[in-house]
Amino acid sequence: KNEVEQSPQNLTAQEGEFITINCSYSVGISALHWLQQHPGGGIVSLFMLSSGKKKHGRLIATINIQEKHSSLHITASHPRDSAVYICAVSKGEGQGAQKLVFGQGTRLTINP
Amino acid sequence: ETGVTQTPRHLVMGMTNKKSLKCEQHLGHNAMYWYKQSAKKPLELMFVYNFKEQTENNSVPSRFSPECPNSSHLFLHLHTLQPEDSALYLCASSHHIAPEQFFGPGTRLTVL
Repeated sequence: KNEVEQSPQNLTAQEGEFITINCSYSVGISALHWLQQHPGGGIVSLFMLSSGKKKHGRLIATINIQEKHSSLHITASHPRDSAVYICAVSKGEGQGAQKLVFGQGTRLTINP
Repeated sequence: ETGVTQTPRHLVMGMTNKKSLKCEQHLGHNAMYWYKQSAKKPLELMFVYNFKEQTENNSVPSRFSPECPNSSHLFLHLHTLQPEDSALYLCASSHHIAPEQFFGPGTRLTVL
């Protein structure tokens, strides 16, 4: 069993729908990251959080440390949101280079 | 553009070839990372460099040889690779006091 599990693995929705992607982890972490990977491979960091909730535009990320669970929400989804969304956790402590452990990703397709 | 560049973007090589992948960042980051992304598998950490010193080798075969001459440049030297090494190789960097990682666009490697 992977240390980081995401669900669902694939998600197809219609434009405008509210999207939720879930991430569960089984190890102690210093932070949790949500990443976006578009076709072609480039990865962009969306959020890094260690508690509570963060919002950026139509994206919201939450984390529950006690339950070792995080969710990524997309409101008013759009075809340009189609991408692979990856959850990763930092296992390093404090400062310095951080070792990331990744989930397998959720492939999101938003149809017009 | 994340500020991290990788060259080449695509590489096809035979099993007896020797090639190198290059990663460059001018973000003032102190940590640099090599990741491997194979089809249908989560991203895997390969190597971590912190202030030019290698701090992590994630049981990577010796046919992959990293080099970090300074905090801005990272190389991955390849020799006698196997077809199963075909994958997307991603470089990332981060600052030692902020664990968010910035990823390059990746090099798509095909070993024949």
